[in-house]
Amino acid sequence: QQQVKQSPQSLIVQKGGISIINCAYENTAFDYFPWYQQFPGKGPALLIAIRPDVSEKKEGRFTISFNKSAKQFSLHIMDSQPGDSATYFCAAGGTSYGKLTFGQGTILTVHP
Amino acid sequence: NAGVTQTPKFRVLKTGQSMTLLCAQDMNHEYMYWYRQDPGMGLRLIHYSVGEGTTAKGEVPDGYNVSRLKKQNFLLGLESAAPSQTSVYFCASSVQGAGNIQYFGAGTRLSVL
Repeated sequence: QQQVKQSPQSLIVQKGGISIINCAYENTAFDYFPWYQQFPGKGPALLIAIRPDVSEKKEGRFTISFNKSAKQFSLHIMDSQPGDSATYFCAAGGTSYGKLTFGQGTILTVHP
Repeated sequence: NAGVTQTPKFRVLKTGQSMTLLCAQDMNHEYMYWYRQDPGMGLRLIHYSVGEGTTAKGEVPDGYNVSRLKKQNFLLGLESAAPSQTSVYFCASSVQGAGNIQYFGAGTRLSVL
């Protein structure tokens, strides 16, 4: 049972554009929402994370927007660069749980 | 500081063969996880451990067994490999559970013929 749905599966943007990846979750007990970035041949690495007490978190060019009532959250990459080309995973978990549930992943390609 | 180390990096098995994947972490983390990554499926949790000597089933545990005899090591076993187990396997560790950063290894690419 997939409890976190991620879209789109793949995304192509031009250098300098905005990349947007969306995720939706079902379990209202989730209270931790990280995004992981994975380069080819490497393991995923934490990019940015948010908790539901805030609606937005920004770190450099990366921003998470969170809508608790809609049970949705999204990753925005401003001024996208070719070096941002990677697979991005959203995830959700609860501090009372011992694990995260990951979305299906989005392959982002940024053309120069 | 090596972080999370997985061995082997690549392996080809024949159907019915067995093997063990090793994960080692040097960060003194309590929690360890095994995931499989398949195209379009994301990362799916196979088994996890919340401490030495403990294991628990994840989302897709069938066909796999695990052991956590030492805090720093988490082993994933395939007793009788099947083509459906062809995948990339990732190990991760964290200080505690959800709400803490999971650190991933570089992965093991397994093909079952």
